[in-house]
Amino acid sequence: DSGVTQTPKHLITATGQRVTLRCSPRSGDLSVYWYQQSLDQGLQFLIQYYNGEERAKGNILERFSAQQFPDLHSELNLSSLELGDSALYFCASSVVGAAADYTFGSGTRLTVV
Amino acid sequence: GQNIDQPTEMTATEGAIVQINCTYQTSGFNGLFWYQQHAGEAPTFLSYNVLDGLEEKGRFSSFLSRSKGYSYLLLKELQMKDSASYLCAVRDRAYNTDKLIFGTGTRLQVFP
Repeated sequence: DSGVTQTPKHLITATGQRVTLRCSPRSGDLSVYWYQQSLDQGLQFLIQYYNGEERAKGNILERFSAQQFPDLHSELNLSSLELGDSALYFCASSVVGAAADYTFGSGTRLTVV
Repeated sequence: GQNIDQPTEMTATEGAIVQINCTYQTSGFNGLFWYQQHAGEAPTFLSYNVLDGLEEKGRFSSFLSRSKGYSYLLLKELQMKDSASYLCAVRDRAYNTDKLIFGTGTRLQVFP
């Protein structure tokens, strides 16, 4: 157990729907990163939060949004889902937002049908 | 921006040595990471190079040349359990952020 908790582990939903993925960072970590990994692809950086504030944004679609709450957990909201959104979504956390300290969660596998 | 290249697939035999190369072009460089990822699982940290040279850790070694924008991961005494994807990632510390940018990964298959 890495200490980073992602729920749910698996999610199957239909096109056009909206889902919320949740990430609880390791105790004491202030920063959360979201990555998307499509089949046979590398991890694509989506967004970073640090202590509740957005710190960096990557290739995140306008249909996707995220936030980090006062208790430091984060949610990634995916709306108007398309078949191409099917992927593994990973969350990583670090203490002070330092990439050298990444800890990954086990991921959420999203399947859009 | 960042551009990271690594071979898509490699095969090797149990007990052999394999070298996985990674080349990168970045607007700012602050270190290079290697991760191992088994199918459907989270990436696990293997190594971190910030200075030129070789870092050895058991059966795994990683090399970095900043002037050439080049790194490699060397796996010795290959075992079947080493069959996995190996991800090269560059640390990006521009614009008040500190994050990893990943390559597409190299899928390694180890055969008996």
